Amino acid sequence: SSELTQDPAVSVALGQTVRITCQGDSLRSYYASWYQQKPGQAPLLVIYAKNNRPSGIPDRFSGSSSGNTASLTITGAQAEDEADYYCNSRDSSGDLLVFGGGTKLTVL
Amino acid sequence: QLQLQESGSGLVKPSQTLSLTCAVSGGSTSSGGYSWSWIRQPPGKGLEWIGYIYHSGSTYYNPSLKSRVTISLDRSKNQFSLKLSSVTAADTAVYYCARVRWEWTNNWFDPWGQGTLVTVSS
Repeated sequence: SSELTQDPAVSVALGQTVRITCQGDSLRSYYASWYQQKPGQAPLLVIYAKNNRPSGIPDRFSGSSSGNTASLTITGAQAEDEADYYCNSRDSSGDLLVFGGGTKLTVL
Repeated sequence: QLQLQESGSGLVKPSQTLSLTCAVSGGSTSSGGYSWSWIRQPPGKGLEWIGYIYHSGSTYYNPSLKSRVTISLDRSKNQFSLKLSSVTAADTAVYYCARVRWEWTNNWFDPWGQGTLVTVSS
């Protein structure tokens, strides 16, 4: 399968923990990477290689994977975390790339 | 620090060919372990991967766009390009270029260009 499925929208109370999920058959073989996109901005890598953060990304962002599901967890969500989040991985062939449909995170 | 910058026509007529270039600075398009990719985002919608090219010149495209897409690499100018033929209004989008890092079962896009809006209209 070449599809990655994300919930369209998720909300979290300020300071609480939220998990954003990404499902797809290819995730049984390949890890997901995660991107944050704020309005009018280019996507920003927040998690790669299952649970690695680029320099400058707060440690409240973490990643995990189990079976066909990859997850991005924000522990202690801040107002500035309100954004769209996209997962990315490969298709089953390993050569083609695919993005999930995106999850809009609202911080209440 | 690697930086990418898209350039090209912001307005394309229906049935014509969209052409964009991504200039790479602070690094080389000849580096192993990386490929160079195009992604687009229609207004108000999600990200769509278009394709990528390895430093060797090998290319891979999204099957839904494959018949219309060509990605090429100019190592002498340290840039890569996108051509999308026979465009329609559905091709109106912000187009991003990005570097893709490949490691065994992992891949990720970083960094990204700032994006450029291409509108298809007569």
